[in-house]
Amino acid sequence: GAVVSQHPSRVICKSGTSVKIECRSLDFQATTMFWYRQFPKKSLMLMATSNEGSKATYEQGVEKDKFLINHASLTLSTLTVTSAHPEDSSFYICSARDLTGTSGEQYFGPGTRLTVT
Amino acid sequence: SQKIEQNSEALNIQEGKTATLTCNYTNYSPAYLQWYRQDPGRGPVFLLLIRENEKEKRKERLKVTFDTTLKQSLFHITASQPADSATYLCALVTNDYKLSFGAGTTVTVRA
Repeated sequence: GAVVSQHPSRVICKSGTSVKIECRSLDFQATTMFWYRQFPKKSLMLMATSNEGSKATYEQGVEKDKFLINHASLTLSTLTVTSAHPEDSSFYICSARDLTGTSGEQYFGPGTRLTVT
Repeated sequence: SQKIEQNSEALNIQEGKTATLTCNYTNYSPAYLQWYRQDPGRGPVFLLLIRENEKEKRKERLKVTFDTTLKQSLFHITASQPADSATYLCALVTNDYKLSFGAGTTVTVRA
């Protein structure tokens, strides 16, 4: 099946710094990628839809200036958490939609655990 | 408001038995529904997709049903094994390909 990677898998940063997370589709092209966050024992919450070559669309309540998304190519999207605070600590997961899939199957990355101290 | 509810937070079963998980939704008109498996600290892994005009889908020991009248999907794991222990998520897919997830049911299969 299709493979999506994320880097880094874990990151610890200090309050006030920025962190960039990469999401790559390894063996397929994805015009659309999605970014989620997940709190312990909770479901995935969609944060934003990343569109190759255009601006990301954010879900209600998600600050676009806080969570910067760049989708520069058909295989790479990045999420930058700017001026991180402890409440931004979470599990961030991306997914990519396979263009060739008939029903828009999405494949998820392994996730990035962010801890802000 | 829109809601996706999975029947229980946790399900403990004996190896060899069938696990049945429920996903109910309100105020959605999904194009299709997907089931995912998630292990601790990992991203979800796609298992099965069922369209609104399909009643049942099977894949090896997994079976999914979809009743758009009841607004419900059932997910069955037959002949369960300890390796099936994980959290199972249902997700509704709307026309813009966005996924809305339920909170998940954590299945523990005892040997």
